[in-house]
Amino acid sequence: GNSVTQMEGPVTLSEEAFLTINCTYTATGYPSLFWYVQYPGEGLQLLLKATKADDKGSNKGFEATYRKETTSFHLEKGSVQVSDSAVYFCALLANTGNQFYFGTGTSLTVIP
Amino acid sequence: DAGITQSPRHKVTETGTPVTLRCHQTENHRYMYWYRQDPGHGLRLIHYSYGVKDTDKGEVSDGYSVSRSKTEDFLLTLESATSSQTSVYFCAISGGALSNQPQHFGDGTRLSIL
Repeated sequence: GNSVTQMEGPVTLSEEAFLTINCTYTATGYPSLFWYVQYPGEGLQLLLKATKADDKGSNKGFEATYRKETTSFHLEKGSVQVSDSAVYFCALLANTGNQFYFGTGTSLTVIP
Repeated sequence: DAGITQSPRHKVTETGTPVTLRCHQTENHRYMYWYRQDPGHGLRLIHYSYGVKDTDKGEVSDGYSVSRSKTEDFLLTLESATSSQTSVYFCAISGGALSNQPQHFGDGTRLSIL
């Protein structure tokens, strides 16, 4: 079946620290992979995506590389800001069917 | 931003009453989804629709029904609300797997059942 496993939170970092949030997946076929961000009181917003192996998605200083050999899509940012405090969700879309599968979310707090 | 509107944004009601949540889109996307979000569970799919009058169950469909009479509207109904259905409900839309496009989410409905 299809599933996403995400690093447990919460994560607390100081401003300008390096961020990694781990995400691994199980899927049939060749899924598309996504990272979403959710700010308090809001819906999920797409942060970045990758649709095939070795693709790198990037946006707002965040990056994630689709690694088929390790079935991973880890989120990274070189220098976090207070405004990056949010909950981050890893998700996959299998290429069969039209359901999205989400991880349980990782809460990030960045302190000044 | 994708044109998705959820209504109401907040609702408080009593156990045993019927509740209907509405999701309206202006993107003409084929697929629409209802999720609930609860602490420790992330997002769980309730029902989804792949076209007008075409719907299917997700992993937590018990106690919920849906209807889609028009492309732009997807309704979620709790026939007889229970306290366990207190949650934040999100609607999402998508162009489908073949498009490799992401889902876009509404701002959510916070539902409290007393």
